[in-house]
Amino acid sequence: EPEVTQTPSHQVTQMGQEVILRCVPISNHLYFYWYRQILGQKVEFLVSFYNNEISEKSEIFDDQFSVERPDGSNFTLKIRSTKLEDSAMYFCASTEYDRDYEQYFGPGTRLTVT
Amino acid sequence: GENVEQHPSTLSVQEGDSAVIKCTYSDSASNYFPWYKQELGKRPQLIIDIRSNVGEKKDQRIAVTLNKTAKHFSLHITETQPEDSAVYFCAATSPGGQNFVFGPGTRLSVLP
Repeated sequence: EPEVTQTPSHQVTQMGQEVILRCVPISNHLYFYWYRQILGQKVEFLVSFYNNEISEKSEIFDDQFSVERPDGSNFTLKIRSTKLEDSAMYFCASTEYDRDYEQYFGPGTRLTVT
Repeated sequence: GENVEQHPSTLSVQEGDSAVIKCTYSDSASNYFPWYKQELGKRPQLIIDIRSNVGEKKDQRIAVTLNKTAKHFSLHITETQPEDSAVYFCAATSPGGQNFVFGPGTRLSVLP
C-alpha cells in the first residue's frame, strides 16, 4: 500500500537556523498538508496546498514558514529562523480529494530546536 | 472557526470491556468526522470515519455514531484488546472542508 514518506526522521537545529522538512506524498494525491504536534498535545493544522499554491493556512503558519513543491514528487516545509517553540513533530499528509476525505499521514519529522 | 472537544482525556479499561470516547464540535457546516489512532512515536492512522449524512457506521469491533443536531460524535470499541492501547484523536473538517481540526486526544489503556 502506498505511503507518505518524510525525511529526515529527526532534525536537531540551533535557534535562528533555517530548516527544510521534506515529504513525498502518495503519487496520485493532489492535496497536501502540514500539521505539527507539540509533545503530548494535539495535532494542529499548519497549511494546505493544491495546484502549486497555498489554499489555506492557520495562524501558526506565519512569515517564518513557507511551503514548496519543487518537483513532481516532493513537498517541503521551510522554517526560516527557528525558535525554541518550533520544537515539535511535523506531519505531512496528502489526500486524493479536496475535502471531507481521509488524509494519509507520513511518519513525521521530529524537530528539536536548541 | 471549528473547535473540537474530546472526553475523557485518559481512559483505562479491562481487556474485553468496551471503551467509549466522545467528541463535540462547534461548526454545524462540518461534514466529515474521522477518528485517528496514534501509537507511541508513530503516525496518526485512520481507524474509522463518518460523514454527516450517516448516523452510525461500524467496522468489526469499532463503531462511530454521529448526532448532527447536538454536534457530537462518539467512538465505540468493543471487546478491547491490549493492542488497542494508544492515543485516539477525533477530528472535524474545517469550514472550508480542506483541513482537519483535531480534538485534544484520549489516551486509552487496555489492561490485561
